[in-house]
Amino acid sequence: KQEVTQIPAALSVPEGENLVLNCSFTDSAIYNLQWFRQDPGKGLTSLLLIQSSQREQTSGRLNASLDKSSGRSTLYIAASQPGDSATYLCAVSSRPLGPRFKHSTLTFGKGTMLLVSP
Amino acid sequence: KAGVTQTPRYLIKTRGQQVTLSCSPISGHRSVSWYQQTPGQGLQFLFEYFSETQRNKGNFPGRFSGRQFSNSRSEMNVSTLELGDSALYLCASSALAGEYNEQFFGPGTRLTVL
Repeated sequence: KQEVTQIPAALSVPEGENLVLNCSFTDSAIYNLQWFRQDPGKGLTSLLLIQSSQREQTSGRLNASLDKSSGRSTLYIAASQPGDSATYLCAVSSRPLGPRFKHSTLTFGKGTMLLVSP
Repeated sequence: KAGVTQTPRYLIKTRGQQVTLSCSPISGHRSVSWYQQTPGQGLQFLFEYFSETQRNKGNFPGRFSGRQFSNSRSEMNVSTLELGDSALYLCASSALAGEYNEQFFGPGTRLTVL
């Protein structure tokens, strides 16, 4: 059974700092890994998707890396801003939960709650 | 292109009642997945539908069910509600089913069971 862990659970930084969020998963047989952002009481916004054959993806100030063999991914946020304050969730797409099922399952970590102070 | 929409956004029910939540995927998307989010358990996968057929199911009791219509819209139903069913229910759509497709989430339905 796939398990996803995110460290740290919470992080508070001053504006302008570069920061790294960590995600680890137990089953390296993944299809892809997705990073999401969730604002309080809201749905999820997709930030970056890394396919299993890729090592990293970049979007603006965000860079996500994937090391499938070690079961790790990092999300790097450059020059953090107060608007980056949110919960960041990592999710991996891996094999179905049972032989009856054909499609993959997305398993989420519990998230890192980020607060960027002005 | 409009995003994933979910209705209603908020719902209050009492124990023992049943509830139906609705999800409209992004136009052209054929796969719809449902998730439950609680403070204690985080985000957990409920089920996925593609072409009106359930293609994957998480570890939830049979009180949780769903269906998908020919226009790809999906509904999930929870019968005999329990206090522990209070959660944010999120729906996600993707263009195709399968391993390599990015999922896009709706704003969620906040269900409170009293």
